[in-house]
Amino acid sequence: KAGVTQTPRYLIKTRGQQVTLSCSPISGHRSVSWYQQTPGQGLQFLFEYFSETQRNKGNFPGRFSGRQFSNSRSEMNVSTLELGDSALYLCASSPGLAGEDYEQYFGPGTRLTVT
Amino acid sequence: AQSVTQLGSHVSVSEGALVLLRCNYSSSVPPYLFWYVQYPNQGLQLLLKYTSAATLVKGINGFEAEFKKSETSFHLTKPSAHMSDAAEYFCAVSLTGGGNKLTFGTGTQLKVEL
Repeated sequence: KAGVTQTPRYLIKTRGQQVTLSCSPISGHRSVSWYQQTPGQGLQFLFEYFSETQRNKGNFPGRFSGRQFSNSRSEMNVSTLELGDSALYLCASSPGLAGEDYEQYFGPGTRLTVT
Repeated sequence: AQSVTQLGSHVSVSEGALVLLRCNYSSSVPPYLFWYVQYPNQGLQLLLKYTSAATLVKGINGFEAEFKKSETSFHLTKPSAHMSDAAEYFCAVSLTGGGNKLTFGTGTQLKVEL
């Protein structure tokens, strides 16, 4: 079974631009979560989608948004990029909501550099 | 709100020595606890998880962790370190009923020396 895939793997953008990152979960998984990883702030939760509905949102400004499609693929968008948005963005998928069999599987990430 | 504290941002051990990476959590309700490993330029790989079954959890690559409620700890151990264990390790917590949100510790970089 293929793992979580994220595209693109690397991205360079300029301040003020916007960017869209894509995540394809493991086949059959209905939940997708996004995390931002930076040296200063570590791993921080962005948001979580389940069956096309945002179920949880982290403490990020409204410039960060996301969505999930009917095939469970997810995209996140960052508008008006700032230098501080440079980070590794990780997507994780899981079969459903948290429970005894809960596990999240992470993709390789998209490395975003804002100049 | 839950939080995770990892003591020691860098840990260095000799090959063949015991690996001990510390994790303490704070949570008002019984949590789910996880250890992840991250190799350079890669995503996170799940090593093991605690979800209220056995308190001693065995994971992949010879790692195990013990959930101690009285100490609010979930330390990761491996009896004998291997060079391939050099990586960054993250402890994470998720609340039961809290969806799939993970709260991570700040990570511990493990160095394995010959």
